[in-house]
Amino acid sequence: SYELTQPPSVSVSPGQTASITCSGDKLGDRYTCWYQQRPGQSPVLVIYQDNKRPSGIPERFSGSNSGNTATLTISGTQAMDEADYYCQAWDRSNVIFGGGTKLTVL
Amino acid sequence: EVQLVESGGGLVQRGGSLRLSCAASGFTFSRYWMSWVRQAPGKGLEWVANIKQDGSEKYYVDSVKGRFTISRDNAKNSLHLQMNSLRAEDTAVYYCARATPHTLYSGMYYFDYWGQGTLVTVSS
Repeated sequence: SYELTQPPSVSVSPGQTASITCSGDKLGDRYTCWYQQRPGQSPVLVIYQDNKRPSGIPERFSGSNSGNTATLTISGTQAMDEADYYCQAWDRSNVIFGGGTKLTVL
Repeated sequence: EVQLVESGGGLVQRGGSLRLSCAASGFTFSRYWMSWVRQAPGKGLEWVANIKQDGSEKYYVDSVKGRFTISRDNAKNSLHLQMNSLRAEDTAVYYCARATPHTLYSGMYYFDYWGQGTLVTVSS
């Protein structure tokens, strides 16, 4: 079965750039999206179609996907960006989530 | 405004059954694939099931096949998940989510709207 692998945790200083990776076999051949989930809240879509931002998502969120790796990049990270982030792809009508990455802003 | 409101969660004994519902509003429900996604306490997101717009296609994660059934009522804008033979490992918050295609013919989707979730606790 298809799997997506994320680092369990990433730390970043306020104002710096955070990069969260998501790895899977030939992931670049699939569309990838990313969700942000703050404690006690439902997930929120922050990136779809590899690099598109939904309405209302700040420009500091961006995405890329090539080869075996998709990357979520948060530029000028703010304290409010501290959350869990999940990548997601589609595999033959099944949905695959990465294990999630806890982003700490310290 | 798109809204998804889950209900039906609660405490159930191992081996018991529960039926979750999701009331959809603010969009044409019958035009979208819909899904259930769950999250065990302190764990990550896990997809549970998908259903096509007209209910003709349904897909499940292996761990719930034969025990869970996803269904929908387009006339009532509602999504359901019938859960039977529940196990302790089914304990989770269950989210209803709307699936939108990345591009028109890609066959790949993302979840642009999520409900607030309903907690299912299976006691052993």
